[in-house]
Amino acid sequence: DIQMNQSPSSLSASLGDTITITCHASQNINVWLSWYQQKPGNIPKLLIYKASNLHTGVPSRFSGSGSGTGFTLTISSLQPEDIATYYCQQGQSYPLTFGAGTKLELK
Amino acid sequence: EVQLVESGGGLVKPGGSLKLSCAASGFTFSDYYMYWVRQTPEKRLEWVATISDGGSYTYYPDSVKGRFTISRDNAKNNLYLQMSSLKSEDTAMYYCARSLARAMDYWGQGTSVTVSS
Repeated sequence: DIQMNQSPSSLSASLGDTITITCHASQNINVWLSWYQQKPGNIPKLLIYKASNLHTGVPSRFSGSGSGTGFTLTISSLQPEDIATYYCQQGQSYPLTFGAGTKLELK
Repeated sequence: EVQLVESGGGLVKPGGSLKLSCAASGFTFSDYYMYWVRQTPEKRLEWVATISDGGSYTYYPDSVKGRFTISRDNAKNNLYLQMSSLKSEDTAMYYCARSLARAMDYWGQGTSVTVSS
């Protein structure tokens, strides 16, 4: 199984900050990496697919990059509505696997 | 508007069975692979099953293989998950989700499954 290691597990940031979350795959997943946002009490929502493609309706302050085993999610100019837990997920091979999540909080 | 509405969750004893349903609307259901994904009480996300657009191909992790069966009725725009031999570790919120480029682009609101005696 492909393990997805997300870091950090939690992050405290101020409004307007640029933050970066990383996801490392235990083997090559090419660009089959997705990012999800889950706000408290809500369902997960797709932000980024195929490493760098913004899903419909997602603000442009979100961006994704990487290939192979290393990936990043960047949020530019943090907004209050960005406070959430973020998960990565690999789609390279079955079983599909998720990272453990990064909880983003306001400083 | 894409809508996915799950139902069928509840409290079940260990060893018991449950069938979840997901009603899809707002898109051509038969064009898409579909997933079941669960979220544990610890908030961990786990992929549970995949079914191809026509229903011919299914995939499961080892943790549920032989116990869970994913199926679909494209005429009724419904997705199903038959769960049997349930264990306490199957306790979770279960979501159906649509596939986009090996990601899950739309999720339902979920249905809760609790396995406890």
